[in-house]
Amino acid sequence: DTGVSQDPRHKITKRGQNVTFRCDPISEHNRLYWYRQTLGQGPEFLTYFQNEAQLEKSRLLSDRFSAERPKGSFSTLEIQRTEQGDSAMYLCASSGRNRGNTEAFFGQGTRLTVV
Amino acid sequence: QQQVKQSPQSLIVQKGGISIINCAYENTAFDYFPWYQQFPGKGPALLIAIRPDVSEKKEGRFTISFNKSAKQFSLHIMDSQPGDSATYFCAASSTNFGNEKLTFGTGTRLTIIP
Repeated sequence: DTGVSQDPRHKITKRGQNVTFRCDPISEHNRLYWYRQTLGQGPEFLTYFQNEAQLEKSRLLSDRFSAERPKGSFSTLEIQRTEQGDSAMYLCASSGRNRGNTEAFFGQGTRLTVV
Repeated sequence: QQQVKQSPQSLIVQKGGISIINCAYENTAFDYFPWYQQFPGKGPALLIAIRPDVSEKKEGRFTISFNKSAKQFSLHIMDSQPGDSATYFCAASSTNFGNEKLTFGTGTRLTIIP
């Protein structure tokens, strides 16, 4: 068990470019979450997958954001036409297969800077 | 709408002292209350968690106290050490509907001074 892995750790991009982040959850976990954290704030929920199904999206997730989890394994988060306000830490978390197994384990995050 | 309010924003405690961080929630559907510790540049790490069927949970130097009627819970760090210096987040979720998304507080930056 290597924990939740996120790639890249850091990304600097120019405004208007598209970026994609990857998350590899703990292998036996069927639930996967994406959160966004800005400086001095707690993480905010973006979206949730159970296996390959995206079951909830926050209103924070504008139409420039899209997330996928093909085959219920790794997940990707894509931001199109990045804006400076997208600069944040993007965190992925996963949790276990059975309801009641609520412990969510976070990855190290991907820090996005839009210049 | 902030559903989990956390205080204080920052806290300075002497080594060996007790650090206390407080949180209050609004959503009565919440039934799981974890605390996370975060170091700069790292993701949050689960520290300790409680469910509302107990009023206190202790793990080593860390204790959660929970008051269901007041909708408040707190983290106590006993014998605080310099290595405890980090940002602490309380969180809450409802585990009844499958999506156990966490709602976080705004965080407390804890500094332990020698």
